[in-house]
Amino acid sequence: GDSVTQMEGPVTLSEEAFLTINCTYTATGYPSLFWYVQYPGEGLQLLLKATKADDKGSNKGFEATYRKETTSFHLEKGSVQVSDSAVYFCALSISNFGNEKLTFGTGTRLTIIP
Amino acid sequence: DGGITQSPKYLFRKEGQNVTLSCEQNLNHDAMYWYRQDPGQGLRLIYYSQIVNDFQKGDIAEGYSVSREKKESFPLTVTSAQKNPTAFYLCASSKVAGARDTQYFGPGTRLTVL
Repeated sequence: GDSVTQMEGPVTLSEEAFLTINCTYTATGYPSLFWYVQYPGEGLQLLLKATKADDKGSNKGFEATYRKETTSFHLEKGSVQVSDSAVYFCALSISNFGNEKLTFGTGTRLTIIP
Repeated sequence: DGGITQSPKYLFRKEGQNVTLSCEQNLNHDAMYWYRQDPGQGLRLIYYSQIVNDFQKGDIAEGYSVSREKKESFPLTVTSAQKNPTAFYLCASSKVAGARDTQYFGPGTRLTVL
């Protein structure tokens, strides 16, 4: 079945460091790919998405490129801030004869130290 | 402001009692979803509804029930048959139930069964 694998956390970085959170997927068709962010005690917010190969999603300084050849959608940010501390979820969605759903990775907790 | 409301934020119940979690959206979205979040397991789909008066089971529907009598409301009942109901429950909605359509999440309800 469809699945998402993302790097284990927790990840701890200093402010202004470069961030990469790895995400790879397995899917039988051509999925859309998403990154969601969850701040403490809150629901999930869409951070960025890409719907076809080679698309780059970007938002708030975060970027991810849909790589079909490596089945990856790694999240990157050039200079992280304390306010980026949160849990990040990679997810995919694929059409399946009306059975539409998001499949999530297990999440990566990110902590940024001043 | 449009959005998704979940109430209450925290809920405590005794073992063996049914409990209903509320989810309301004023985004005029057709599709609504319920997810369960457990530590280290990401989000898992419980039920989803693509249209009023219709809903489908997700990956972990056993011990849960839903109704969709109005477009804006999708309540989830956690029954006594659910073996391990303590979790964080998230409701989401999307304009249509499409693989490429963004899901928007509510703030969640944390259920603790004593």
